[in-house]
Amino acid sequence: QVQLVESGGGVVQPGGSLRLSCAASGFMFHYYGMHWVRQAPGKGLEWVAVISHDGSIKFFADSVKGRFTISRDNSKNTVFLQMVSLRPDDSAVYYCAKEVRRSDYYIPFEYWGQGTLVAVSA
Amino acid sequence: DLQMTQSPSSLSASVGDRVTITCRASQNINNYLNWYQQKPGKAPKLLIYAASSLESGVPSRFSGSGSGTYFTLTISSLQPEDVATYFCLQCDGVPYTFGQGTNLEIK
Repeated sequence: QVQLVESGGGVVQPGGSLRLSCAASGFMFHYYGMHWVRQAPGKGLEWVAVISHDGSIKFFADSVKGRFTISRDNSKNTVFLQMVSLRPDDSAVYYCAKEVRRSDYYIPFEYWGQGTLVAVSA
Repeated sequence: DLQMTQSPSSLSASVGDRVTITCRASQNINNYLNWYQQKPGKAPKLLIYAASSLESGVPSRFSGSGSGTYFTLTISSLQPEDVATYFCLQCDGVPYTFGQGTNLEIK
């Protein structure tokens, strides 16, 4: 079955950096685009970034553009989120999610991981 | 960005009740609307995609309807295991945006 396991979260000071990882299993990883989504404590969900199956296409939310980068290693079935210049409002649980296309319909988040917590605080 | 307005934010109902949650989009999204269920400490789970298609393995008491700007998620007969937060997602294009969520409890 599909499994997505995030890691790399923790406590970081404002202006600091973190790299999140998401290890995937149970599907042909190199066929699918992958997303990051976050949820701040007590707040709603926010889409963060997407990377295409081969890493050639990437999109970011305006709130993270220029500070976050997304990458993947298809040989290791892993997608990454590099976060720099972190701010307190980046504090959230970060989820990775797998896309799927069914006939003509695109589902950006078919499966989700359990999430990893990032806390940006002095 | 396209805004999704979900209501109610919380809901308490009895076992066996029919429950309806709504999402309104700030512009026409055709049928690019999915519904998810999230239980405490768990990953979100896809329930409905393309506004009305039931995801494989999801009980048939869940259904979705709507198109354009108005969408509903209905649970035909509420069960104790349905206690969760439900949220909608518009996937018409990036940035994808979510409803604020509905916390569903058993009365």
